[in-house]
Amino acid sequence: DGGITQSPKYLFRKEGQNVTLSCEQNLNHDAMYWYRQDPGQGLRLIYYSQIVNDFQKGDIAEGYSVSREKKESFPLTVTSAQKNPTAFYLCASGTGSGELFFGEGSRLTVL
Amino acid sequence: SQQGEEDPQALSIQEGENATMNCSYKTSINNLQWYRQNSGRGLVHLILIRSNEREKHSGRLRVTLDTSKKSSSLLITASRAADTASYFCATALISSGSARQLTFGSGTQLTVLP
Repeated sequence: DGGITQSPKYLFRKEGQNVTLSCEQNLNHDAMYWYRQDPGQGLRLIYYSQIVNDFQKGDIAEGYSVSREKKESFPLTVTSAQKNPTAFYLCASGTGSGELFFGEGSRLTVL
Repeated sequence: SQQGEEDPQALSIQEGENATMNCSYKTSINNLQWYRQNSGRGLVHLILIRSNEREKHSGRLRVTLDTSKKSSSLLITASRAADTASYFCATALISSGSARQLTFGSGTQLTVLP
């Protein structure tokens, strides 16, 4: 089935650790996005990529890093520099019309 | 600050009633989209309305857009318990880039009581 796959669904991190969230899509979309969602809040853009080997910072990029080595993959690393990483992370990919297709999310908890 | 803001923040209705949610935004847009999110899940695209459109329908959904007031409304008719979810508006700004960034509001939590 076509879609976006995020893994893991749940992730626990100790203070000082880096963790990487996976996002894979088979929709042949050029653009991919990472959003962060806090309880009762909307989505805030972390990073986005319009094409392979290129990406731009969103509104809250500090403490995060990404790569886009393949069209299908856009992993997000939450580094130890991110002081408040506990959140729900959503990956999406997009068509030229602007509609986004979302994965099921990854919930990160800092212990 | 958020580009789009939904109103009300929470809405509780009986099954069969209509639900109306509103979205206001601040700057000129290319299009406005509505998404639904079930608890703990990803967002699902519902409908997109372009800046030169005033009304759009999709099944039990009706969306209006008033660019002069910078506002949009989402109407869900004959609601069902399965419509219980959070609903977000998202605005796509006028941009020369090929990948338009969407800016999301904080959402309306809709509860449909059986």
